[in-house]
Amino acid sequence: EVVLTQSPGTVSSSPGERVTFSCRASQSISSSLAWYQQKPSQAPTLLIYDASNRATGIPDRFSGSGSGTDFTLTISRLEPEDFTVYYCQYYGDSSTFGQGTKLEI
Amino acid sequence: QVLLMHSGTEMKKPGASVKLSCKASKYSFNNYYIYWVRQAPGQGLEWMGVISPSGGATSHAQKLQGRITMTRDRSTTTVSMELRNLRSEDTAVYFCARSGGSVSIASLYYYMDDWGRGTTVTVSS
Repeated sequence: EVVLTQSPGTVSSSPGERVTFSCRASQSISSSLAWYQQKPSQAPTLLIYDASNRATGIPDRFSGSGSGTDFTLTISRLEPEDFTVYYCQYYGDSSTFGQGTKLEI
Repeated sequence: QVLLMHSGTEMKKPGASVKLSCKASKYSFNNYYIYWVRQAPGQGLEWMGVISPSGGATSHAQKLQGRITMTRDRSTTTVSMELRNLRSEDTAVYFCARSGGSVSIASLYYYMDDWGRGTTVTVSS
């Protein structure tokens, strides 16, 4: 069973800065990884799929990279609405989520 | 745009069962998997299971083995998820979501590109 570990649990930053989130898989998962953003009391929103493909309508300040076991989500220029929680998801021969990273101001 | 409409809020006692529904519209129902994901209060997302609307194939998380059943009604484009023997730990918001990839023989597992708003299930004596 694949386990996804996101780090850090919480990251602090400021509008206009660049931030990266890590998601590490317990075994190689090729590029079968997605990233989601979830705002309070809302359903998650797909940001990135297949590790590096931006979903429809997602601003280009969001980017994903990685393959195998190590993946990164980068937000290049933080906007105030970006301060929320981010999850990674594996979808290969099963599916699971990481525990999430909270981005705070 | 894709629409996934949940059934209403549920309150159940421990040991009871709950059946949630998710009505899909504005896309070709048979061509995309539907997933169930839940989120306990203040916690992260938990992948629960998947159903193929076309053939009815399902898969679910091992921890829910024996307690979860997913079905679909193609005539009403509705997917249902029943969870039995409820425990307090099942208190959560339950989301249905549509796969980002089309139904295929290759895999049941995809990312999720459209989500319902979720429905709250509270389990309490």
